[in-house]
Amino acid sequence: NAGVTQTPKFQVLKTGQSMTLQCAQDMNHEYMSWYRQDPGMGLRLIHYSVGAGITDQGEVPNGYNVSRSTTEDFPLRLLSAAPSQTSVYFCASSFGLLGSEAFFGQGTRLTVV
Amino acid sequence: GQQVMQIPQYQHVQEGEDFTTYCNSSTTLSNIQWYKQRPGGHPVFLIQLVKSGEVKKQKRLTFQFGEAKKNSSLHITATQTTDVGTYFCAGQRDFNKFYFGSGTKLNVKP
Repeated sequence: NAGVTQTPKFQVLKTGQSMTLQCAQDMNHEYMSWYRQDPGMGLRLIHYSVGAGITDQGEVPNGYNVSRSTTEDFPLRLLSAAPSQTSVYFCASSFGLLGSEAFFGQGTRLTVV
Repeated sequence: GQQVMQIPQYQHVQEGEDFTTYCNSSTTLSNIQWYKQRPGGHPVFLIQLVKSGEVKKQKRLTFQFGEAKKNSSLHITATQTTDVGTYFCAGQRDFNKFYFGSGTKLNVKP
């Protein structure tokens, strides 16, 4: 059982470039989310999805897009990378909505120069 | 802004000393979860508290949820070097969202 798989693990982008961070889970979880982690800021919710075809914004959605065409996959797109998006990104999934344990991927360390 | 405040930001202890981290929310939470993140790793679920005044124990770790469901604490008795990492609380208020605290980074000196 792979759990939550994120790719890539590391990425360097130039300002203005676009890219997609991939996230896949094999636990048949309905709820998936993306967080960014910055020093002293904890984990901040970017976008989340409660099921295929349904997404919504979190605390810091600007500059990011998501889609959920299948239960398994929840990619995060950066349309035009900015240095402020340098961060560690975590994808998480959970079985339900209220009070379910979240399983995190290994993270993607993104640097925008 | 931060929905859930967590203190302290850092804690350095000698092995064998106790450690406590605190989370506070300005509004009532439906439940709160605790996670541990080892250096270079990803957050891993420790426990969930749901009931007002709830206390749960996992070996040397004691978790409490306040009577008003606005605060929580994690206490580690007699720390070990394996306890090193960052501890996060995550409070759920809105149905679909967890609000993570900023974390407490614990360093244990052998």
